[in-house]
Amino acid sequence: GAVVSQHPSRVICKSGTSVKIECRSLDFQATTMFWYRQFPKKSLMLMATSNEGSKATYEQGVEKDKFLINHASLTLSTLTVTSAHPEDSSFYICSASALWGGDTQYFGPGTRLTVL
Amino acid sequence: DAKTTQPPSMDCAEGRAANLPCNHSTISGNEYVYWYRQIHSQGPQYIIHGLKNNETNEMASLIITEDRKSSTLILPHATLRDTAVYYCIVRVMGTGANNLFFGTGTRLTVIP
Repeated sequence: GAVVSQHPSRVICKSGTSVKIECRSLDFQATTMFWYRQFPKKSLMLMATSNEGSKATYEQGVEKDKFLINHASLTLSTLTVTSAHPEDSSFYICSASALWGGDTQYFGPGTRLTVL
Repeated sequence: DAKTTQPPSMDCAEGRAANLPCNHSTISGNEYVYWYRQIHSQGPQYIIHGLKNNETNEMASLIITEDRKSSTLILPHATLRDTAVYYCIVRVMGTGANNLFFGTGTRLTVIP
């Protein structure tokens, strides 16, 4: 149990385009979903926290108008990188916190975004 | 959430036990110790967590000292697939909005 998927696993796009990444909890309902970003050889950094049906809470320094998060259901959250630029190239990882199990976070496999 | 200190890297021979230490001297009474690992280019994988009692599951054992200021993650029979960065994180449980603070972790290399 506690499987989280992400789609796509890898995306390459041109500068100025928008990219949507989906995060799904496959076998459980998630109270909260989190979005992290990881640059090469660095640790994960939290970008935002979202609860189903409410607005996401962004970490300091993360532009909410650039990184749009929608948490439409207890099993799906999406991150849209708008007007992507090369500096947005990174590894984006989501996690989901289950209603059961004491809110342990389970992570997706990540999405590698490359902006040309 | 309390900060943790881990050695940056460790080696372990295949088939032997891997013992990964973590110091969390400022841990609060209601903070749990969590362990995750991240294999290259993948999302972190949950391993185990505990409060004060030792815990064991199919992946590993977690030994927490009586004063809770340090802990050790034990992989009883390390395999090459256990090569990864291991993160020790302390956080309050039951507050779902709290994020996990990933420090630098310990890079474990399992040697054939």
